[in-house]
Amino acid sequence: QVQLVESGGGVVQPGRSLRLSCAASGFTFSSFNMHWVRQAPGKGLEWVTVISYDGSNEHYADSVKGRFTISRDNSKSTMFLQMNSLRDEDTAVYWCAREGGKSLLDFWGQGSLVTVSS
Amino acid sequence: QSALTQPASVSGSPGQSITISCTGTSSDVGGYNYVSWYQQHPGMAPKLMIYTVNNRPSGVSNRFSGSKSGKMASLTISGLQAEDEADYYCSSYTSSGTLVFGGGTKVTVL
Repeated sequence: QVQLVESGGGVVQPGRSLRLSCAASGFTFSSFNMHWVRQAPGKGLEWVTVISYDGSNEHYADSVKGRFTISRDNSKSTMFLQMNSLRDEDTAVYWCAREGGKSLLDFWGQGSLVTVSS
Repeated sequence: QSALTQPASVSGSPGQSITISCTGTSSDVGGYNYVSWYQQHPGMAPKLMIYTVNNRPSGVSNRFSGSKSGKMASLTISGLQAEDEADYYCSSYTSSGTLVFGGGTKVTVL
C-alpha cells in the first residue's frame, strides 16, 4: 500500500534552516509529481511547492520562493524540502503528498510539525 | 496566489443536503477542470473526496458530488451524516503551474 512518511521537523530559531524528508513506498515513486502542503496552527491548508516526477521542474508559492527548495532522489524514493531563512509564519504542520495526475493529491503523509521560535 | 473563496461555515441537519461554494478566477477555477475537494478531520491529514470537478475516488461515498460553473465550483453533500462533520477545502490548478487552496469550510451537523 502507498505510504508517505515525513521526518525532520522540530523547533528551530528564526533565520535558521531545516530539512524535511518524505520517504515513499508502495508505488513507483519516479512516476509521480510530489507536493508539500502546510497548515499553520488553527489555519487552513496552504500549498507550498511541487516537483515533477523526474525532478526537472519545480514551482513554489510566493510565500516561500527564494527560501525553500524542493528536491528528490528517485533512487531512494525520497523527497526533500530544504527550508532556509525560516520565519515565525513558517510554523506549521508540513505534509508531503502524491499527485495522482491532474493536480489531485491522492495520498498524504502523517505530517511533520515545524515550529519556528526563539 | 490568492486563496480561493469559501464560506467559513455551513451547517445542516442529518439527512439534509448542503452545498459548499469555491470561487476563484479565470486563472484557476475558471480556466481549468482541475478542481479537487478535500475533507479534513481534526488532527488528521486531508483526504481527497472529489477530483477533476466531479469525480469520486474509489471508496468515497456517492453522497459527495461536485460541479462547476464559470469561476465557481461546488461540493454537495447529500443525506448529511454525523461523520461528515469536518473541514472541507477546495483546490485548483493555476495558470502559473501551481496549486491554490480555498480558505476552508467548517461543516457542522446539527
